[in-house]
Amino acid sequence: GQNIDQPTEMTATEGAIVQINCTYQTSGFNGLFWYQQHAGEAPTFLSYNVLDGLEEKGRFSSFLSRSKGYSYLLLKELQMKDSASYLCAVMDSNYQLIWGAGTKLIIKP
Amino acid sequence: GAVVSQHPSRVICKSGTSVKIECRSLDFQATTMFWYRQFPKKSLMLMATSNEGSKATYEQGVEKDKFLINHASLTLSTLTVTSAHPEDSSFYICSARDWGTSGRGPTDTQYFGPGTRLTVL
Repeated sequence: GQNIDQPTEMTATEGAIVQINCTYQTSGFNGLFWYQQHAGEAPTFLSYNVLDGLEEKGRFSSFLSRSKGYSYLLLKELQMKDSASYLCAVMDSNYQLIWGAGTKLIIKP
Repeated sequence: GAVVSQHPSRVICKSGTSVKIECRSLDFQATTMFWYRQFPKKSLMLMATSNEGSKATYEQGVEKDKFLINHASLTLSTLTVTSAHPEDSSFYICSARDWGTSGRGPTDTQYFGPGTRLTVL
């Protein structure tokens, strides 16, 4: 079957760095996405990785290792507004997105 | 990224009525749109894939006669919840697939509408 695993909840301090991991087992791979979802709102697109390596975009970076079925989202200089759920999703061979359950990130002052 | 709108953002209706939710891609053409449902503190659940000009593909367990989907144009898909009941109360979110030809983002990304919160009394 297809499976996306990510931690249920993480806590970090304002100004610090946090890494949210995602491991996956899917039938085929056409890219991995990270989305941010604030409570009561729809997800917003953060990043996309299809090749191995690190993609940096401002305070957020995303890493992919296809051989390990592993990705992480790195958030630097954490701000209170970064408190949200972070969803990992993999596009399988049918170009369908397989969603993780999301990681709720709690930022403390 | 690309912009997707969804209307209405919130609706409260009586049991037995039908509710129509619209999803529009505002600055790109979307041959494929997706309808999701999300319960509190749960992940997104894909209900159906909507393809322009053809019938929607429903996920297992989703009643196609209850959740009617129409994708009549490249920028509009609608979801109609027929004879709504309290158990249909949920957060409904649409997304539109952008193949990236506009250069706005990576190839084949889903952009989400803001969601519709449906409450059935």
